[in-house]
Amino acid sequence: QITLKESGLTLVKPTQTLTLTCTFSGFALSWSGEGVGWVRQPPGKALEWLALHYWNDDKYYSPSLESRLTITKGTSKTQVVLTMTNMDPVDTGTYYCAHTLTFCIEDACSFTMDVWGQGTTVTVS
Amino acid sequence: SHELTQPPSVSVSPGQTATITCSGDSLAKQYGYWYQQKPGQAPVMVTYKDTERPSGVPERFSGSRSGTTVTLTISGVQAEDEAAYYCQSGDTRGTYTVMFGGGTKLTVL
Repeated sequence: QITLKESGLTLVKPTQTLTLTCTFSGFALSWSGEGVGWVRQPPGKALEWLALHYWNDDKYYSPSLESRLTITKGTSKTQVVLTMTNMDPVDTGTYYCAHTLTFCIEDACSFTMDVWGQGTTVTVS
Repeated sequence: SHELTQPPSVSVSPGQTATITCSGDSLAKQYGYWYQQKPGQAPVMVTYKDTERPSGVPERFSGSRSGTTVTLTISGVQAEDEAAYYCQSGDTRGTYTVMFGGGTKLTVL
């Protein structure tokens, strides 16, 4: 059974750096095509994908936020860490990590999140 | 703005069929995926690869595709299906990114 859980400081000041850790179990992040991704959701708004740490250590980022994001493996093999610099009140919201799979139509591949963590609420103030 | 377009809201009576559409150019070459999100909860995948249903998801949830539109159909809607539904796809501009639609609030009357 795959599970994921987010942790980290939930209150940060503007201009500070947010660091969130996703601790997972039930998989090893070593199968071809799997990854751990991050998605956020401002209060009352839609989901927004942030970043993905892929099984082969490739990293993928949202083009609009790439300059502020870094995704890495944690100190444990079952952790993935997301950092976001220069936090602003508009970054307030719930941040989710999720187990991610890859599906392809010929040479066009896409990621999808099949199991999600419970989310952690981050407030920038 | 979102590159996947969904209706903001859909309303149906219990037992009826709800259809939620999602349109976008990326869907011409990428699979579509659907998530259900109830208030205060994390999203849950309800369909993947346009038409597949994860184990544990009720059979009343089904997905389909026509051109650049994917559709989530909920047959025999139940009160517990009231939630926000998000479609998702990938990008086709040569970058591996994820796109979500703006979400559709399903109200069961």
